[in-house]
Order: sequence, then structure tokens, then C-alpha cells
Amino acid sequence: EPEVTQTPSHQVTQMGQEVILRCVPISNHLYFYWYRQILGQKVEFLVSFYNNEISEKSEIFDDQFSVERPDGSNFTLKIRSTKLEDSAMYFCASSLLRENQPQHFGDGTRLSIL
Amino acid sequence: AQTVTQSQPEMSVQEAETVTLSCTYDTSESDYYLFWYKQPPSRQMILVIRQEAYKQQNATENRFSVNFQKAAKSFSLKISDSQLGDAAMYFCAYRTLRGSQGNLIFGKGTKLSVKP
Repeated sequence: EPEVTQTPSHQVTQMGQEVILRCVPISNHLYFYWYRQILGQKVEFLVSFYNNEISEKSEIFDDQFSVERPDGSNFTLKIRSTKLEDSAMYFCASSLLRENQPQHFGDGTRLSIL
Repeated sequence: AQTVTQSQPEMSVQEAETVTLSCTYDTSESDYYLFWYKQPPSRQMILVIRQEAYKQQNATENRFSVNFQKAAKSFSLKISDSQLGDAAMYFCAYRTLRGSQGNLIFGKGTKLSVKP
């Protein structure tokens, strides 16, 4: 069964550095999402992406964050200047349609900011 | 804004027994989707079951079933004949049908342990 894949599984970065988290959604899916989960807290929505543009974003997704679909397969989340509080698990998800189709999640990338 | 609450941080069940995980939510909308996702240790979240709010019939997937009480805004998950492989974090999630908002709103999760 097709899966959403995320790389790397663990990223350690110095505070203030830029980081790019990568995701390969399921190939025929049209909607893409990023979520994050700070240790011990809820999974929180960051951003959704459709038709090469952001369709919705949360208040967490400020100017330090950006998303891109640089080619037909990858979907990336960039954090421009990381802060300690950006340490979290970041999950990518994709779905075929928005309505009643479920979102399929990747294994996540654990981001640790030092 | 919608919220999802899972009041049980941890639950434990004996293998082959039945366990019910609780979830309540708050919304002013009449149409929406509800989901239960399972996240085994160090693995991705997997959809367990989903419920459309306009359907009165409770969703069922093999050993997994829900008790959807729309008026009470309750959406509990029942796992029958629990197996060791059911041990995982379980997340309840809500999704609106309104506008372009396709994002999921999650509860904090319930960690389920299964004892042999």
C-alpha cells in the first residue's frame, strides 16, 4: 500500500539555523498537510496546500515557516530561523480529496533545536 | 473554534477483553467528520475509523466500533477482543466540512496498553 514518506526521521539543528523537512506524499493525492506535535501536547495543524498554493494555515504558521512543492513528488516545510520552541515531531499528511477521504500520515520527523 | 477532548491519558486492557476510549468535542456546526487514528510506537498515524455526522448509524470496522452521540457531542471508540497489536496512542480528531478547511483538530490522545 502506498505510504507518505518523510525524511529525515530525526533532525538536530542549532537555534537560528534554517531547516527543511521533506515529505513525499502519496502520488495521486491532491491535498497536502503539515502538523506538529510538541512533546506531551496535542497534534496541531500547521498548513494545508492544494493546487500549488496554501489553502489554509494556523496561527502557528508565521513568517518563519514556508511550504513548497518544488517538483511533482516532494512537499517541503522550511523553518527559516529555528527557535527552541520549534522542537517537535512534524507530520506530513496527504489526501486524495478534501471531503470524505482520510488523510494519510507519514512517520514524522523529530526536530530537535539546540 | 472547535475543540476535541480525550479525558483518559492512559488506558489498559487485558488481551481479548473490550475497552472503550472516550472523546468529546465542541462545535456549533451540524455537519462534520470524526475520526479515530492509531499511532503505534515510532510509527505513523493510521486511520482506524471515521464517522460522518449526518449518519445516525455508528461506524464499525471489524473489531473497532464507535458510539456516536451527536447531541452529547461524544464519539467513543470501542475495541473488542483486544490484541497485543492494538497497543498504541489513539487520537480522536474532528474535521469541518465548511469552506476550504480540511485540517484535522486532534485531541491529546489516549495511550492504550494491552496486557497479555
